[in-house]
Amino acid sequence: DGGITQSPKYLFRKEGQNVTLSCEQNLNHDAMYWYRQDPGQGLRLIYYSQIVNDFQKGDIAEGYSVSREKKESFPLTVTSAQKNPTAFYLCASSIYRDTENIQYFGAGTRLSVL
Amino acid sequence: GQQLNQSPQSMFIQEGEDVSMNCTSSSIFNTWLWYKQDPGEGPVLLIALYKAGELTSNGRLTAQFGITRKDSFLNISASIPSDVGIYFCAGQPSGGGADGLTFGKGTHLIIQP
Repeated sequence: DGGITQSPKYLFRKEGQNVTLSCEQNLNHDAMYWYRQDPGQGLRLIYYSQIVNDFQKGDIAEGYSVSREKKESFPLTVTSAQKNPTAFYLCASSIYRDTENIQYFGAGTRLSVL
Repeated sequence: GQQLNQSPQSMFIQEGEDVSMNCTSSSIFNTWLWYKQDPGEGPVLLIALYKAGELTSNGRLTAQFGITRKDSFLNISASIPSDVGIYFCAGQPSGGGADGLTFGKGTHLIIQP
């Protein structure tokens, strides 16, 4: 089936630890995105990538890093510099066009701090 | 940056009632999208709108792209328990946007039996 796969579903981070969230898509989409969702909040953009080997900071990039070495993969690393990492993380992808930009989402990863 | 005002923030309704929610923007949008998010899952696209004035239905759901291109509404008729969740509006600003869509903060729909 075509879609976006995020793993793991649940992740726990210890103090001072870096953790990496996986996002893979087989939709042949050029653009990929990472969002953070906190309770009662909307979606806040962390990083996005429109093409392989290129990515841009979103609204809340501090404490996070990404890579885009392959079209189908866009992993997100939550670094120890992110002091409040507990949240629900969503990955999305789209065929980016100026007038049409439907984003399709994965099932999310819930990150908690031990 | 762009901002979308989505209202209401939450709705408590009885099963069988109709539901209406809307989004407004201070600037013009080319595309309006409506998503639904179930607890612990990612948002799923419900309806996509591309033209001002467009009215589109998907089963019991109906959405419209406002004539001014600055607003959109979503109606759900005869609500059922599985309609519970968070509904997000999203829009693609006119002139494009390298960072993609702008999202509203969501409407929490709670259905009382």
